[in-house]
Amino acid sequence: DVKVTQSSRYLVKRTGEKVFLECVQDMDHENMFWYRQDPGLGLRLIYFSYDVKMKEKGDIPEGYSVSREKKERFSLILESASTNQTSMYLCASSLAAGVYNEQFFGPGTRLTVL
Amino acid sequence: DAKTTQPPSMDCAEGRAANLPCNHSTISGNEYVYWYRQIHSQGPQYIIHGLKNNETNEMASLIITEDRKSSTLILPHATLRDTAVYYCIVRVATGANNLFFGTGTRLTVIP
Repeated sequence: DVKVTQSSRYLVKRTGEKVFLECVQDMDHENMFWYRQDPGLGLRLIYFSYDVKMKEKGDIPEGYSVSREKKERFSLILESASTNQTSMYLCASSLAAGVYNEQFFGPGTRLTVL
Repeated sequence: DAKTTQPPSMDCAEGRAANLPCNHSTISGNEYVYWYRQIHSQGPQYIIHGLKNNETNEMASLIITEDRKSSTLILPHATLRDTAVYYCIVRVATGANNLFFGTGTRLTVIP
């Protein structure tokens, strides 16, 4: 089975802190994604990556950056956390374009910024 | 990608079929219909997808109307574990691979 793991289920940080959210997948997928989920807004794409060291902005990239140094790992970075970044963060992976893009999701990280 | 419209919530009795509708009147010829669900406190899970033919797998059936402007996800024998938010997504199969999740339908299976 495809497994997507995220470094933490729950995280509490203070305003201004630098936050790293890690995601690892074990199925050699080319594509990886970071979403945030907020009540009433569904899932919104922050960034995605289709290859090592490649990244593309999603719908709401402001305040975030990403890193993909290895194929299996995709990190989301909050350079200076703010209270409006309190949310559920979901990582996903999928095979490359050209096949139907079933995405496999991790369990999510619930981040609270105080 | 085409937008979708789903009812915000539905109830279904345990053991009965759950029929979840989705409207996608602006769908293009090369866009697929995908269904995902999200059980509380978990990440979304893929269920099924289709282009124009009806599809069935071990989880569900997908019925797409002939004009492709709407579809129905059918859970044939709903169980309490099927209580979740169900998302209908329409997009092309190639190119950028992000999925647009709307707010979905919250299905509650009642004992």
